[in-house]
Amino acid sequence: TQLLEQSPQFLSIQEGENLTVYCNSSSVFSSLQWYRQEPGEGPVLLVTVVTGGEVKKLKRLTFQFGDARKDSSLHITAAQPGDTGLYLCAAGTGGFKTIFGAGTRLFVKA
Amino acid sequence: GAGVSQSPRYKVAKRGQDVALRCDPISGHVSLFWYQQALGQGPEFLTYFQNEAQLDKSGLPSDRFFAERPEGSVSTLKIQRTQQEDSAVYLCASSSPGIGSYNEQFFGPGTRLTVL
Repeated sequence: TQLLEQSPQFLSIQEGENLTVYCNSSSVFSSLQWYRQEPGEGPVLLVTVVTGGEVKKLKRLTFQFGDARKDSSLHITAAQPGDTGLYLCAAGTGGFKTIFGAGTRLFVKA
Repeated sequence: GAGVSQSPRYKVAKRGQDVALRCDPISGHVSLFWYQQALGQGPEFLTYFQNEAQLDKSGLPSDRFFAERPEGSVSTLKIQRTQQEDSAVYLCASSSPGIGSYNEQFFGPGTRLTVL
């Protein structure tokens, strides 16, 4: 069974702090997505990583795909209250099924 | 709007009732996914359509769950004889062939189902 394990499950920080959240698996994936979900809404795609070792930046967010394409991380620099939300990683299983991690719930206090 | 829409946004059902949840995908999107999201969890895959063909229904939890997309556009997820454990948010997502190879999906706001 392919699983995506995310850590930490919950993170509460002050505005301006840096943080990293992780998405780990024992399986190799051809691509991995990060989404952010706010209460009462569906997930919104942030980025897709494809190549092992790839690093992508989206303003204050930095995404990395592990060399072996089994894990990924999301680093946020100088977090802001607007970054509050549930961060989900997701990957295709080679067929049509998509699996999601349980998510990291981030709360940034002003 | 050009996004994925779902209706109703909220549904309360008595145990044993049948419910139907609707998804309007982004126009032209070939792929359509249904997910179930329990409180505090990530979305769990239910089923996948490519146009009108249901190519994967491995995530449907029981034969009480049925999904259709008869004309390759709007999709309906039907739950018969609802049980309390069916209470969850049901998310629909669509994807176009060009970006679907990277599994990038656009989600609707979800339908929150509460079974009393």
